[in-house]
Amino acid sequence: EDKVVQSPLSLVVHEGDTVTLNCSYEVTNFRSLLWYKQEKKAPTFLFMLTSSGIEKKSGRLSSILDKKELFSILNITATQTGDSAVYLCAVGLFSGGYNKLIFGAGTRLAVHP
Amino acid sequence: EPEVTQTPSHQVTQMGQEVILRCVPISNHLYFYWYRQILGQKVEFLVSFYNNEISEKSEIFDDQFSVERPDGSNFTLKIRSTKLEDSAMYFCASSEAQGHPGSYEQYFGPGTRLTVT
Repeated sequence: EDKVVQSPLSLVVHEGDTVTLNCSYEVTNFRSLLWYKQEKKAPTFLFMLTSSGIEKKSGRLSSILDKKELFSILNITATQTGDSAVYLCAVGLFSGGYNKLIFGAGTRLAVHP
Repeated sequence: EPEVTQTPSHQVTQMGQEVILRCVPISNHLYFYWYRQILGQKVEFLVSFYNNEISEKSEIFDDQFSVERPDGSNFTLKIRSTKLEDSAMYFCASSEAQGHPGSYEQYFGPGTRLTVT
C-alpha cells in the first residue's frame, strides 16, 4: 500500500526560529514530491521536487528530496506568525495513464510571537 | 493570478439527496481532479479526469459518484444519494499536462464543505 508519513505531527516555535519538517514515503511508481501549505481551506502549492539533491528555494522556505532514502525535508528559516499552518507533503504517482497525489497527514506548525 | 474556483463554499443536504459540486479549473489546464478531506483526516484522492474521461479513480469513488465536464469551463462532481459519511471538504484541483506524467503541479480550489444531515 502506498504510504506518505510526515513528522512531527505538530510543532510549536517562536518567531525567528528555524524549523525542519520531514516527509518519508513508500510508494510504487514515484514521480514527484510536492509540498503544500494549508491555512484555512485550500492547500496552496509551495514546491514540486523530482530530482534528488537539488534544493528548491522560495524566500525563507527551501526543500530537498532524497530518492535513495525516500524522504524530503521542508525548511523554514526566521519563522513568522504568518507561517502558522498545516504543511502537507504529497507524492505524485503515475502508472498506466493515471496521475494522482497521495497525501501525508500533515505537520501543524504554530509560530508564536 | 489564475486560480481554481469552487461553488458553493458550503452545502448542507439531507441524507439520500443528490448534490452537485462545481469547479472552474484554471483555463489552460488539461487534467482535473477531485479530492476530499474528512474533518481531521488526510486529503484523499477521489478521481482524475483527462480528455473528457476518467483516467483514474479510487475505491472511494463508487457508483454514487460521477464527474462531468458539461462545457468548456466547468468540472462537476455529483453524489447521487448522499450518506452521512460523505460529509467532508471536497477540493477540486487542476494541472497542466507539461513534463512527465505524475510530475504535474496540481493547484487546488478553496473547497466545498459538504454537510450531510
